[in-house]
Amino acid sequence: GDSVTQMEGPVTLSEEAFLTINCTYTATGYPSLFWYVQYPGEGLQLLLKATKADDKGSNKGFEATYRKETTSFHLEKGSVQVSDSAVYFCALRNTGNQFYFGTGTSLTVIP
Amino acid sequence: NAGVTQTPKFQVLKTGQSMTLQCAQDMNHNSMYWYRQDPGMGLRLIYYSASEGTTDKGEVPNGYNVSRLNKREFSLRLESAAPSQTSVYFCASSKDDRGEEKLFFGSGTQLSVL
Repeated sequence: GDSVTQMEGPVTLSEEAFLTINCTYTATGYPSLFWYVQYPGEGLQLLLKATKADDKGSNKGFEATYRKETTSFHLEKGSVQVSDSAVYFCALRNTGNQFYFGTGTSLTVIP
Repeated sequence: NAGVTQTPKFQVLKTGQSMTLQCAQDMNHNSMYWYRQDPGMGLRLIYYSASEGTTDKGEVPNGYNVSRLNKREFSLRLESAAPSQTSVYFCASSKDDRGEEKLFFGSGTQLSVL
């Protein structure tokens, strides 16, 4: 079945450090790919998305590129801030409109 | 614009009790979903509904029932709660139009079953 595997955390970085969170997926057909972010006590919010191969999603300094050849959608940010501390989820939406999520990666950024 | 509204926010049940989690969206979305979130497990799909009057099982449907009352509302029922159902539950909806594929989440229900 369809699934998402993402890098386990927790991840702790100093402010202004470079961030990478790895995500790979398994799916038939051509899924859409997403990164969601969850702040403490809240529901998930869409961070960015890509709907076809080689698309790059970007938002708030975060980027991820849909790589079909490696079935990956890694999240990157060049310089993290304390306000980026949250849990990040990689997800896919398959051709049946079902969404599948990874296990989440907790990020803590320290000043 | 309220988005996705879930009630209650917190609930404590004893083993064997029943309850219904309510969810409503005001965005005229076709699809609605129920997820549970557990530490180290991420979000797992319990049930989803692609349109009014239709429901389908997700990854972890056992012990749950759902009802898509109308286009706005999608409820989740625990008939006989078990400690394994202690979790945070999220309702979500999506529009499904091409280019509009994203989930909107409610703020969650924290359920403890003793």
